[in-house]
Order: sequence, then structure tokens, then C-alpha cells
Amino acid sequence: DTAVSQTPKYLVTQMGNDKSIKCEQNLGHDTMYWYKQDSKKFLKIMFSYNNKELIINETVPNRFSPKSPDKAHLNLHINSLELGDSAVYFCASSGLGTSGVETQYFGPGTRLLVL
Amino acid sequence: GQNIDQPTEMTATEGAIVQINCTYQTSGFNGLFWYQQHAGEAPTFLSYNVLDGLEEKGRFSSFLSRSKGYSYLLLKELQMKDSASYLCAGAPASGGSYIPTFGRGTSLIVHP
Repeated sequence: DTAVSQTPKYLVTQMGNDKSIKCEQNLGHDTMYWYKQDSKKFLKIMFSYNNKELIINETVPNRFSPKSPDKAHLNLHINSLELGDSAVYFCASSGLGTSGVETQYFGPGTRLLVL
Repeated sequence: GQNIDQPTEMTATEGAIVQINCTYQTSGFNGLFWYQQHAGEAPTFLSYNVLDGLEEKGRFSSFLSRSKGYSYLLLKELQMKDSASYLCAGAPASGGSYIPTFGRGTSLIVHP
């Protein structure tokens, strides 16, 4: 059973288009996230939602709009895509892990390529 | 801040031992994670250290020195499948955020 799933896995699109990425977790976690991993492999937080409410919004262009219909889903909509948006986008949720600390559980990633 | 610094790439031989180092700024910090990320896949949790010392978990061990802002991940009896990126991440101090700050990762290549 997939804990954190996201679709699509690959997304190739033209500059200026609007696209969405969907994410779902079946771990029962209250908190979900979107991360961006660029070509240099830095994993940077974009947004964090707790129980459907936005709690963290890092310096992200407002072309990116997250939406959480319920605490198990966190979708990401991107308007007017730009070349620099090409990256891998990871959804994650967090909960107490085996070490007793809040731990991130990542989805498989969406590889976005903007042409 | 919590700047995280780790080597970009390391290579090692199958069966050997490798140590991946990570240094960080100690302010605003409360523990350190290690994640493993195979190419094209999601990062997965390996270990968490909040106290000084070495924690062993099978072939993988993680060490932390809070006063020195230093951690390492030790991989023993290397296998080809250990070829992956290893991400060091600082856990924030109390304040409500559970979001770790990730380093750029160390790409480990294990060769026969």
C-alpha cells in the first residue's frame, strides 16, 4: 500500500501553460508539504498545511497555489509555467516515526519539465 | 540559520566502509536526520540523532556532536544497492515547525 502518492509522475508541458499535481496520503497524518528539488538536488520547502490550513508559505511565486480539500490531500496548481519551474516536486506528510520524532514521509515525486 | 554542508560526491568499493560527514550551524537546531534517496525516487528516513554519540542500526550508524555541529553517517559492508544520495537534514528547535532543513546530499557511488 502506497503511503504517500502523487500524480502524475512525469509532466512535460509548454511555457505559459497551467498544470496541477495531486497528492494523497493514507498515513492519517495531519500535516502535509510540498517540496521542490532542483537540478542541484537541494530539497526546499514550498508549503506546509496542517489539517487543511496553510501554516507555512515560503518565498514562492504566487503562480503556485496549493489546495487542501481534506487533511489527506494536498494538491499543487501552477499557473503560467516558466522554464525555471522545471524540477522534481515532492509531496510529503509528517508524523511520529520510529525514532519518536516528527518524520517526513515523501511521495515518489513529479518530474516537471517546462519547454 | 541552519546551513548544512556535506560533500557532493563520494565513491567506495563494495564490501568497504564509508563515512559521510555533515556540518551545520548549531543555532535553532534540535536534532539531525539522515535520509537516503535513490536516483529517481523519494527520500526515505534512515536515522535521527538528538543526543551526542553513535546510534547503530544494522549496517548503518549515525553520529552526532552537538557542540561541534558535526554528524556523520557510517555505512559498513557496502553493497551495490547502497549507491544513492544521502541527505543530512537539521531538525528545527521547538517553535511549531517540523520542517527539516536539508543539505544538498552526498551522492555515493559503490563500485565492484
